Amino acid sequence: GAGVSQSPSNKVTEKGKDVELRCDPISGHTALYWYRQSLGQGLEFLIYFQGNSAPDKSGLPSDRFSAERTGGSVSTLTIQRTQQEDSAVYLCASSVDRERDEQYFGPGTRLTVT
Amino acid sequence: DQQVKQNSPSLSVQEGRISILNCDYTNSMFDYFLWYKKYPAEGPTFLISISSIKDKNEDGRFTVFLNKSAKHLSLHIVPSQPGDSAVYFCAASAGHSGGSNYKLTFGKGTLLTVNP
Repeated sequence: GAGVSQSPSNKVTEKGKDVELRCDPISGHTALYWYRQSLGQGLEFLIYFQGNSAPDKSGLPSDRFSAERTGGSVSTLTIQRTQQEDSAVYLCASSVDRERDEQYFGPGTRLTVT
Repeated sequence: DQQVKQNSPSLSVQEGRISILNCDYTNSMFDYFLWYKKYPAEGPTFLISISSIKDKNEDGRFTVFLNKSAKHLSLHIVPSQPGDSAVYFCAASAGHSGGSNYKLTFGKGTLLTVNP
């Protein structure tokens, strides 16, 4: 079946502009995660959605970052007033539920802020 | 403060030999550990996991060993194949010990190159 998809695959934006990154999880997966990987670093947890529960936003680095998950499926990560340090690969993952299921990752969106 | 450390950024191995990838962690709340493999321009893919109640888990050519007292785990690949060349990430989560069992904390990865 289809895996996790993300769009766009690459995004170049000017400092100060807003960007939206999209994630389509695997159908039927109730849990959705956003991570980012900066150059030379491991994956950094950003936010987690589980069903209709309030999301865990504890990993968001600043209030310029926000995310939504509409209808329990598609998610959008928004970065307002982008900064150069926001440049990274943003990865989305989904899993069947929160109980230790492995997370299935999308290919990521490479964001470059100039 | 890096809670999951992969101290070798790269490893080169001859085809057919054993590859050993190492990972250390500092958070004693971690009780579930995973290895992911990542090819360029793709997302990480799950490889193998181990719960802290075990010290070994095997799946085909892949075996993960956990030494809780040393807070160390390792991934063994034998025999190594050229198609195994990728970046390998170690990840950990805390669950039964009271932490969040869905946040994965990742290491920085080790680039494995298997030479034909």
